[in-house]
Amino acid sequence: GAVVSQHPSRVICKSGTSVKIECRSLDFQATTMFWYRQFPKKSLMLMATSNEGSKATYEQGVEKDKFLINHASLTLSTLTVTSAHPEDSSFYICSARDGRGSTDTQYFGPGTRLTVL
Amino acid sequence: AQSVTQLGSHVSVSEGALVLLRCNYSSSVPPYLFWYVQYPNQGLQLLLKYTTGATLVKGINGFEAEFKKSETSFHLTKPSAHMSDAAEYFCAVRRGGGADGLTFGKGTHLIIQP
Repeated sequence: GAVVSQHPSRVICKSGTSVKIECRSLDFQATTMFWYRQFPKKSLMLMATSNEGSKATYEQGVEKDKFLINHASLTLSTLTVTSAHPEDSSFYICSARDGRGSTDTQYFGPGTRLTVL
Repeated sequence: AQSVTQLGSHVSVSEGALVLLRCNYSSSVPPYLFWYVQYPNQGLQLLLKYTTGATLVKGINGFEAEFKKSETSFHLTKPSAHMSDAAEYFCAVRRGGGADGLTFGKGTHLIIQP
């Protein structure tokens, strides 16, 4: 099946710093990638939809200036948490859309645990 | 707008017993429905999906789900639970076309009793 990787798997940073998370589709090209946030013991919330070569579409309530998304190639999307604060601590998960053939399925990365001190 | 309701935040079954995880959805368009499983500190793995066609969908690890339009349900079942099935299970509905994100339910934690 399709494989999506994320890097890093864990990151701890100081308040006020920026953190970049990478999401890669390893064996397929993904014109669309998604970023989700998962709070402890809660469901995943869609943050934004990232389309290759164009601006990301953010969900209502998500600060686009805080969560910068870049989808520069068909296999890579990045999420940068700018000026991170403790309330940004969370589990961030990306997914990539595999639109080949009849599958059209989202495959999820393993997630990145962000802790802001 | 789409929404997903998973009944029961925790479900406990004995090893070898039937697993039933409930999911109801609301959707303003014909739904695409998914079940994902998440093991601790990991991402989500697709169990199965319903797009069109046959309403009984078979997935990996012996799981299956049946789409019932009249009941707006997509319950997940497995005839015989295994200890390795202990995990968090999420039901999700896709909002529209393939380029749309997923709306997830709150998840059901499946506990397997020995």
